[in-house]
Amino acid sequence: DGGITQSPKYLFRKEGQNVTLSCEQNLNHDAMYWYRQDPGQGLRLIYYSQIVNDFQKGDIAEGYSVSREKKESFPLTVTSAQKNPTAFYLCASTPGQVGPQHFGDGTRLSIL
Amino acid sequence: KNEVEQSPQNLTAQEGEFITINCSYSVGISALHWLQQHPGGGIVSLFMLSSGKKKHGRLIATINIQEKHSSLHITASHPRDSAVYICAVSGGNDMRFGAGTRLTVKP
Repeated sequence: DGGITQSPKYLFRKEGQNVTLSCEQNLNHDAMYWYRQDPGQGLRLIYYSQIVNDFQKGDIAEGYSVSREKKESFPLTVTSAQKNPTAFYLCASTPGQVGPQHFGDGTRLSIL
Repeated sequence: KNEVEQSPQNLTAQEGEFITINCSYSVGISALHWLQQHPGGGIVSLFMLSSGKKKHGRLIATINIQEKHSSLHITASHPRDSAVYICAVSGGNDMRFGAGTRLTVKP
């Protein structure tokens, strides 16, 4: 079955450490997205990519970095510059610019 | 003011009740989406609509483009409908999300 796989489900980060969240899709979708979800708030866009080797900053890109070397993969790195990284992170994809987004099951990141 | 506002924030219902969740938006859109997020966190797309009304099983979504308002209705609610329902709007390259409505349906 096609879908989006995020790993790990739970992740813990020490102070000053970079961590990378994985997102893989086998839907052959061109566009991929990373969102952050905090309690009581709507999802906020961190980065998105509409094509391989190209990505754009979203509303809250500071402290994060991404790469899109393969169509099916869009990893997100939470750097030590992100001062409040504790949140639920969701990856999504769409076949093009318009269309329903398919979501992964998310990664919950916490600070040790 | 958020671009996408949902009401209510929390909703508790008895099994069998008719449920309505509302969504208002303030930006131009190409489509409006209703999403369902279960306790584990995964999100499923329920509807994408740009006009009129769509129905899927016990779920009905309507949109009024002139009033910039959408509603999600659940008929004959069931405890398995308990989830967070999220309204989102798309236009251009991204989507804007409401904060969600937490629905609890009691048996």
